Amino acid sequence: QVQLVESGGGVVQPGRSLRLSCAASGFTFSSYGMHWVRQAPGKGLEWVAVISYDGSSKDYADSVKGRFTISRDNSKNTLYVQMNSLRAEDTAVYYCAKETTWGQGTLVTVSS
Amino acid sequence: QLALTQSPSASASLGASVKLTCTLSSGHSSYAIAWHQQQPEKGPRYLMTVNSDGSHNKGDGVPDRFSGSSSGTERYLTISSLQSDDEADYYCQTWSTGINWVFGGGTKLTVL
Repeated sequence: QVQLVESGGGVVQPGRSLRLSCAASGFTFSSYGMHWVRQAPGKGLEWVAVISYDGSSKDYADSVKGRFTISRDNSKNTLYVQMNSLRAEDTAVYYCAKETTWGQGTLVTVSS
Repeated sequence: QLALTQSPSASASLGASVKLTCTLSSGHSSYAIAWHQQQPEKGPRYLMTVNSDGSHNKGDGVPDRFSGSSSGTERYLTISSLQSDDEADYYCQTWSTGINWVFGGGTKLTVL
């Protein structure tokens, strides 16, 4: 079945970096644009970034622009987000998603 | 500026029906939206896409009790025969500049 599985979350100090991965299965990964969405504790959903099916087009929320980089490897059916210069306000569960499918999320905690 | 507005909370009795509203910002009455459900301590789940003409396309496995409709800048999610596990947060989402996502603030539904 269609599945997205995130990994790479954890506790990181402010200013440090982290890379999240999202393994896709059950569909033709290379045909779909993919998103990262986050949810801070007790808050709503916040769109973070998108990448087109072939990686040629990317866009970011203003809150992460210049610090986060979305990428994909269609040969590995995997989506990534490189998160640099992390701040306390980046603490959230990070979900990867395509139009009709969500992963289960991975928790990123930014704390000293 | 494209934005989605949702009431923070709603409630209805077990077995009754409830209609949740998502309002598009002025000038965006032609936009489709998607509804997502997030049960407590779980990741979001795609429910359906609602078009400006009121037609809707549901995700796999979404019960017939869930339906969508539209009027002007308002998009609706109606849940009939409410069950206890319908108690969840419901988010509407639309598309900005083609591929970016925009979320509403979410509605917390309580089943009494």
